[in-house]
Amino acid sequence: DAGVIQSPRHEVTEMGQEVTLRCKPISGHDYLFWYRQTMMRGLELLIYFNNNVPIDDSGMPEDRFSAKMPNASFSTLKIQPSEPRDSAVYFCASSFAPLRRPRYGYTFGSGTRLTVV
Amino acid sequence: GENVEQHPSTLSVQEGDSAVIKCTYSDSASNYFPWYKQELGKRPQLIIDIRSNVGEKKDQRIAVTLNKTAKHFSLHITETQPEDSAVYFCAASKVKDNFNKFYFGSGTKLNVKP
Repeated sequence: DAGVIQSPRHEVTEMGQEVTLRCKPISGHDYLFWYRQTMMRGLELLIYFNNNVPIDDSGMPEDRFSAKMPNASFSTLKIQPSEPRDSAVYFCASSFAPLRRPRYGYTFGSGTRLTVV
Repeated sequence: GENVEQHPSTLSVQEGDSAVIKCTYSDSASNYFPWYKQELGKRPQLIIDIRSNVGEKKDQRIAVTLNKTAKHFSLHITETQPEDSAVYFCAASKVKDNFNKFYFGSGTKLNVKP
């Protein structure tokens, strides 16, 4: 398996533009997570899905952020309009359902480094 | 919700020495505690985990201990090597059938000096 695949790896955009980050989870995983990592705040959970259904979006910072998972193999995180304070590394991760496997830690993607200027 | 605190924020050791990173958690219902290693510019990767029904787990040079009463758990790395240099994150979760939310600590930057 190729692991969790994220695109793009790097994104530089101007303030006010729409940004779309993409993620392909590991085939068969039941859960998908979007995290944001910054020096100041560490790893922050933005939203997670179970079987394509959003379960907890309490970490989404504001209405400018939205996430979708139209099918089991694809998810997007959209920021519209983007702001400089959105600059961070955005990680997608996936996992099996907790009770399906003895070890159910997340597998992270390589991340998207977003810079908003 | 859960609150995970991690100490120290930075740790510098000489190659061959041991390193210990400690985490505390607030929710006594938490039952799963993974540790992740993140090398510079790379993704966090799971290195070891422990469940609440176990007090200690070892995997070669790394071990994790859990004290449920005190609500703290620790990562121990023995015979450290330069390639152990990375940021280490602890996490806590009360995994159950449809809940799979990890609460991460703030990370410890480990520097192993040759």
